[in-house]
Amino acid sequence: DAKTTQPPSMDCAEGRAANLPCNHSTISGNEYVYWYRQIHSQGPQYIIHGLKNNETNEMASLIITEDRKSSTLILPHATLRDTAVYYCIVRVNSGGGADGLTFGKGTHLIIQP
Amino acid sequence: ETGVTQTPRHLVMGMTNKKSLKCEQHLGHNAMYWYKQSAKKPLELMFVYSLEERVENNSVPSRFSPECPNSSHLFLHLHTLQPEDSALYLCASSQELVGREQFFGPGTRLTVL
Repeated sequence: DAKTTQPPSMDCAEGRAANLPCNHSTISGNEYVYWYRQIHSQGPQYIIHGLKNNETNEMASLIITEDRKSSTLILPHATLRDTAVYYCIVRVNSGGGADGLTFGKGTHLIIQP
Repeated sequence: ETGVTQTPRHLVMGMTNKKSLKCEQHLGHNAMYWYKQSAKKPLELMFVYSLEERVENNSVPSRFSPECPNSSHLFLHLHTLQPEDSALYLCASSQELVGREQFFGPGTRLTVL
């Protein structure tokens, strides 16, 4: 799986949009971008994933650049409960087999009241 | 509530003890995983089971012994552990051939004295 680079920490005011960047300049054509988050002392939680088109679900939006070398996770209206470590992971999404996730250090997002 | 439960949530054991961690998923998934999260380190994949067969073992010491009796249950048997094995042990499951999101349990906080 390709390597990702994320800022170690970010602050965001409550109610504002939180924009979390991720660089993945060595991403391959068949690798997807996944985002998970881990609230303190809990298991990681899946947020969203995408290949090359922008994606949106009830939790967040994912913006992937045209060259696919970077992406941004957007939490449109951050709340205090969004304080967590956010992990950007790139991996193949082929149909068969099972393989584990490779986590980096992620971005510690702190939502300020 | 992610549909993945882990017991016990907390465990303290001596180096000569034998204990087991249990994971159960209620999602109908066919792949299960064990991860380890030590203090200030990224999550590390330990074992992967697909269709009840072990498909990956990331150079984990033999004092950790996994068991997957069926697609809903996963165990991690522990014996003669070291204090540096103290960590949060996380179980996850996913449905291969359909999607690649992994659903994590809350983890077992293990302390080895």
